Amino acid sequence: ETGVTQTPRHLVMGMTNKKSLKCEQHLGHNAMYWYKQSAKKPLELMFVYSLEERVENNSVPSRFSPECPNSSHLFLHLHTLQPEDSALYLCASRNADRPADTQYFGPGTRLTVL
Amino acid sequence: KQEVTQIPAALSVPEGENLVLNCSFTDSAIYNLQWFRQDPGKGLTSLLLIQSSQREQTSGRLNASLDKSSGRSTLYIAASQPGDSATYLCAVRSGGSNYKLTFGKGTLLTVNP
Repeated sequence: ETGVTQTPRHLVMGMTNKKSLKCEQHLGHNAMYWYKQSAKKPLELMFVYSLEERVENNSVPSRFSPECPNSSHLFLHLHTLQPEDSALYLCASRNADRPADTQYFGPGTRLTVL
Repeated sequence: KQEVTQIPAALSVPEGENLVLNCSFTDSAIYNLQWFRQDPGKGLTSLLLIQSSQREQTSGRLNASLDKSSGRSTLYIAASQPGDSATYLCAVRSGGSNYKLTFGKGTLLTVNP
């Protein structure tokens, strides 16, 4: 247990569905991240939130919409996804006030788009 | 653009062997380098973090080295055990305040009893 939880752990959705992924951290961190991990590709950074403000959007399609209502919670809203969006979506958090600290990762949500 | 390469992509060894995993990166202007472990279907666990000013870090049977000028890092695992079986990921942090990590594709390690 890293102190970062993600729900659901597995999700199967059709291309016309709308769903949301949730991430919650219990570490008192103030920066949160979404990553995508596809088969045979490196982890790709999607979004960065620092102090609840989105500070980076790594050229992610608009069918992915992040939301950070407070420093403990991060959502990824999904709509009109494509089969190639099937992947493991990982959330991470860190203390942005301590530059040398690492990121702590959640267990991920395995997403399958049919 | 920073690129991280890990060699080999997969490695299978008998229990008890010492082994080395390799990581290379194209831009030597890094803040730090980190090795993670990922078990199947799980998130990442940080193993070792080496700051750019450091040459190596050790934790138990693990030793990671960093040669920033040549853009290389190695993860040495001594006396490997079946429980070490996992994917090992190397990530470098570029400068800037957002702590952007660039990952390699990983090395899938299997330690056979």
